[in-house]
Amino acid sequence: DVKVTQSSRYLVKRTGEKVFLECVQDMDHENMFWYRQDPGLGLRLIYFSYDVKMKEKGDIPEGYSVSREKKERFSLILESASTNQTSMYLCASRPGGSGNTIYFGEGSWLTVV
Amino acid sequence: GENVEQHPSTLSVQEGDSAVIKCTYSDSASNYFPWYKQELGKRPQLIIDIRSNVGEKKDQRIAVTLNKTAKHFSLHITETQPEDSAVYFCAASMRNAGNMLTFGGGTRLMVKP
Repeated sequence: DVKVTQSSRYLVKRTGEKVFLECVQDMDHENMFWYRQDPGLGLRLIYFSYDVKMKEKGDIPEGYSVSREKKERFSLILESASTNQTSMYLCASRPGGSGNTIYFGEGSWLTVV
Repeated sequence: GENVEQHPSTLSVQEGDSAVIKCTYSDSASNYFPWYKQELGKRPQLIIDIRSNVGEKKDQRIAVTLNKTAKHFSLHITETQPEDSAVYFCAASMRNAGNMLTFGGGTRLMVKP
């Protein structure tokens, strides 16, 4: 069974704080993703990575950065958290090649006050 | 890039009835169409997928149909049960787009006992 683990399930941070969300997958997948999930807006892609040290912007990268120093780990960074970044963040991984499914982590609920 | 529209946003059915959720996509190069189910507080999980060389796929009470000409695909759930209540997401993926999935906005399905 593929396991995608997000280290923090629930966080409360103050405006302006730097926030790290960590994600680890155990299936040697090439591709990793960070999505944001908000009611009525579905799943929106923030950043993705198709290899170590590689990153690509998704649909809503503003206010976020990412780091992929090791294949199994993909971190999402909020340099200066703002209240409009209060959301549920989902990490996902996927094998290389077309037509492969994506596996999600449990999600991290972030509240910025 | 790809754009995926999903309808309806909410759907309420009586237990035992059928439920149909429809999605349209914009890019004719998309070739992989998965459906995910997300129960309350849990991660999205793949329930069925279809590739562009197939028109229909069934798995017990769920089926997916694909019309490439019209660029739409649908999820059909028959004999609905209360445990089918969840948010369902469709998605589309292109072979040459880093295997990224673009998600629809989601459908909240409520099955009334």
